[in-house]
Amino acid sequence: DQQVKQNSPSLSVQEGRISILNCDYTNSMFDYFLWYKKYPAEGPTFLISISSIKDKNEDGRFTVFLNKSAKHLSLHIVPSQPGDSAVYFCAASASSGTASKLTFGTGTRLQVTL
Amino acid sequence: GAGVSQSPRYKVAKRGQDVALRCDPISGHVSLFWYQQALGQGPEFLTYFQNEAQLDKSGLPSDRFFAERPEGSVSTLKIQRTQQEDSAVYLCASSLAPIDLSGDEQFFGPGTRLTVL
Repeated sequence: DQQVKQNSPSLSVQEGRISILNCDYTNSMFDYFLWYKKYPAEGPTFLISISSIKDKNEDGRFTVFLNKSAKHLSLHIVPSQPGDSAVYFCAASASSGTASKLTFGTGTRLQVTL
Repeated sequence: GAGVSQSPRYKVAKRGQDVALRCDPISGHVSLFWYQQALGQGPEFLTYFQNEAQLDKSGLPSDRFFAERPEGSVSTLKIQRTQQEDSAVYLCASSLAPIDLSGDEQFFGPGTRLTVL
């Protein structure tokens, strides 16, 4: 039962354009969402997060949008740069009073072309 | 070092062998997590420590998997009698906070790639 889904395994975007990565979730208990970026042979690196009380969070070129009613979030990267080429994982957690384990999607491989 | 380190980076084991994977979290981080990432999948939660206490081991796939963090810093994930389906990257992550208030960032190590022949 995949509680966090990233239905696009790969995405190719031209440098300078917008990259949009999508993520859907099924567990209504999730109240915190994160995006991680992963290069080969490295661990995931935290990129940006959003709490369920917000619908948008922006950090430089990265913006995450949350649509709770649709159980959908997206990561926008503007403008895309070649260094953004990596695998992006969407993750979610549910506050439980203890440090929350993350539930990850299967990832989207982004390639930014020149 | 400033980040989470894991050793070994690569481990090849024959089926039936026992393996031990080490994680050195960021100094002072209270929470420590282990995840298993199979090929083509996202990381999946295995177990969680708050200091030396193992508070959640719901993700451990079988009793062949055992984790410890005896002094609240370094952690070891042990897999007994390894099987081919144990082949995966094992990721360790640490975070500063003992409880999740608004979602605390987890810092990941580079992982140990385990291959069971």
